[in-house]
Amino acid sequence: SQQGEEDPQALSIQEGENATMNCSYKTSINNLQWYRQNSGRGLVHLILIRSNEREKHSGRLRVTLDTSKKSSSLLITASRAADTASYFCAPGRRDDKIIFGKGTRLHILP
Amino acid sequence: SQTIHQWPATLVQPVGSPLSLECTVEGTSNPNLYWYRQAAGRGLQLLFYSIGIDQISSEVPQNLSASRPQDRQFILSSKKLLLSDSGFYLCAWRQISTDTQYFGPGTRLTVL
Repeated sequence: SQQGEEDPQALSIQEGENATMNCSYKTSINNLQWYRQNSGRGLVHLILIRSNEREKHSGRLRVTLDTSKKSSSLLITASRAADTASYFCAPGRRDDKIIFGKGTRLHILP
Repeated sequence: SQTIHQWPATLVQPVGSPLSLECTVEGTSNPNLYWYRQAAGRGLQLLFYSIGIDQISSEVPQNLSASRPQDRQFILSSKKLLLSDSGFYLCAWRQISTDTQYFGPGTRLTVL
């Protein structure tokens, strides 16, 4: 098992701007996932990128993975108020438990 | 489709009282199950995970315990709550084929 570390811890941007958050991890992985948590709610799975992929898109989300640097980034384009949430990365290996970091708290300003 | 339930949604308990939180999953069999705790404004702490009935691993030594009496039921318990047990408790199940975890709505526990 391993834990991802998100950066920055907090991010505030204007609505309509793009938001970028990063994740670093320490050992080899099979995949890396990003989750979103709205205040007082459970986590919601956003996207999974496998270790042999470098980039993946889902709607306004773009995830990159650099296994040589052991890092990933999540880009949210054209941010909306509803994107205000905490975002967590989860580096994973098959059959291993998923441990979450402290997350990035994203606040979209009107 | 699969769904995951947790109850109660909120709970206020005095210090020293017992605790029982329940999590059930529908629409899947033999899921991996997880209990996490999240302190206010903090990340998630993995407490327990289970790969099968009566197969439970503890991640953090504490006064909490977990049990899995049925395939799709996961229970978090304590004999005597501490103030530090306050937090948001999340149950999750893992879809092995996709490595994805699906979370329940959570239980907010306040120990006074």
